Amino acid sequence: QQQVKQSPQSLIVQKGGISIINCAYENTAFDYFPWYQQFPGKGPALLIAIRPDVSEKKEGRFTISFNKSAKQFSLHIMDSQPGDSATYFCAAFSGSARQLTFGSGTQLTVLP
Amino acid sequence: DAGVTQSPTHLIKTRGQQVTLRCSPKSGHDTVSWYQQALGQGPQFIFQYYEEEERQRGNFPDRFSGHQFPNYSSELNVNALLLGDSALYLCASSPEGQGSYGYTFGSGTRLTVV
Repeated sequence: QQQVKQSPQSLIVQKGGISIINCAYENTAFDYFPWYQQFPGKGPALLIAIRPDVSEKKEGRFTISFNKSAKQFSLHIMDSQPGDSATYFCAAFSGSARQLTFGSGTQLTVLP
Repeated sequence: DAGVTQSPTHLIKTRGQQVTLRCSPKSGHDTVSWYQQALGQGPQFIFQYYEEEERQRGNFPDRFSGHQFPNYSSELNVNALLLGDSALYLCASSPEGQGSYGYTFGSGTRLTVV
């Protein structure tokens, strides 16, 4: 039972372009929404995160947009670089359940 | 400052065998969570250990068990291995009370069951 749905499964973007990854969740008990970046052979690394009482958060080239009423959130990567090529996971954290629920991942390829 | 250390990095086991994976948390972290990441999928929560006890468990069978030691390190044990247990097993540590804010993941143990 997938509680966090992520799309697209894969994404190819030209260098300098904008990468957009979308996620939707079902459980309203989630109280924190992080995005993770994972390179081959490595564990996920926290990229940026947002609380549901905030509609947007920006850190450098990375922006999360959050729509609480629609139960959707997205990651925007501005000025995408080849070094951004990785798998990105959205996730939702439940403090009461003390666990992260991950999306299925998006494999991003940024062409030089 | 060492992060989360997992061992071994790779492991091949035969169906029906038992396996033990190990995790040393980041310095200052006292909570350890284990996740299973199948190929091409997002990680799935197995369980969390705090104060040497299993505090929360995901939807995994009893074949999956764990332990936390007084120095906060942890083990994940899987009995009666199935082909479907082949996956990357991730350990994440965090300071108590910070939830996933303080999560640091290790690089994982790649388990292959043949």
